[in-house]
Amino acid sequence: AQKVTQAQTEISVVEKEDVTLDCVYETRDTTYYLFWYKQPPSGELVFLIRRNSFDEQNEISGRYSWNFQKSTSSFNFTITASQVVDSAVYFCALRDRNTGKLIFGQGTTLQVKP
Amino acid sequence: DSGVTQTPKHLITATGQRVTLRCSPRSGDLSVYWYQQSLDQGLQFLIQYYNGEERAKGNILERFSAQQFPDLHSELNLSSLELGDSALYFCASSPRERAGTSGSDEQFFGPGTRLTVL
Repeated sequence: AQKVTQAQTEISVVEKEDVTLDCVYETRDTTYYLFWYKQPPSGELVFLIRRNSFDEQNEISGRYSWNFQKSTSSFNFTITASQVVDSAVYFCALRDRNTGKLIFGQGTTLQVKP
Repeated sequence: DSGVTQTPKHLITATGQRVTLRCSPRSGDLSVYWYQQSLDQGLQFLIQYYNGEERAKGNILERFSAQQFPDLHSELNLSSLELGDSALYFCASSPRERAGTSGSDEQFFGPGTRLTVL
């Protein structure tokens, strides 16, 4: 069975702190795709990044960085120097190879306090 | 702005009623996915259409149905509504039917329709 687990339900940090959101996935597929989405208080789901199982190179985009480790089935997301606008619910997702549907984790609520 | 539109933004109705949620995918996208986000179930896949045909079904109740029209917009019909159907319903679109080894397309989500059943 395919599954995504985000063990952190809520995280609260003070502005300018670094914060890492954890994601662990389960799949028997040898080829798969992982995603991170952000859901701000306004409610929409915003695509952040896609990573395929062939590419374990970690990526940095501005204040965001992602750490994909196949050996531990983890795809963690780090925000450096967090800002109040980063406050949102963050979802990690695994794409089902057969149907294309996204299997979401439970989400991590990040609160960044000024 | 993802390019996916959903109407209405909010919907308040009573138990036993029927509603229709509408989704217009991004220009050129052939696949439409419907998801339900509720407090107890989280974000769950309901159903997928590709170029007018149903392609995959998730945990969609029999009271719910969907279709995709020739112009590629999609509608999700919810009938005999219950209190527990109150949720945020998202539509997402992507260019292709499903991921393949040659690449994958991210799904772009619409703003959602918040359904409240009283």
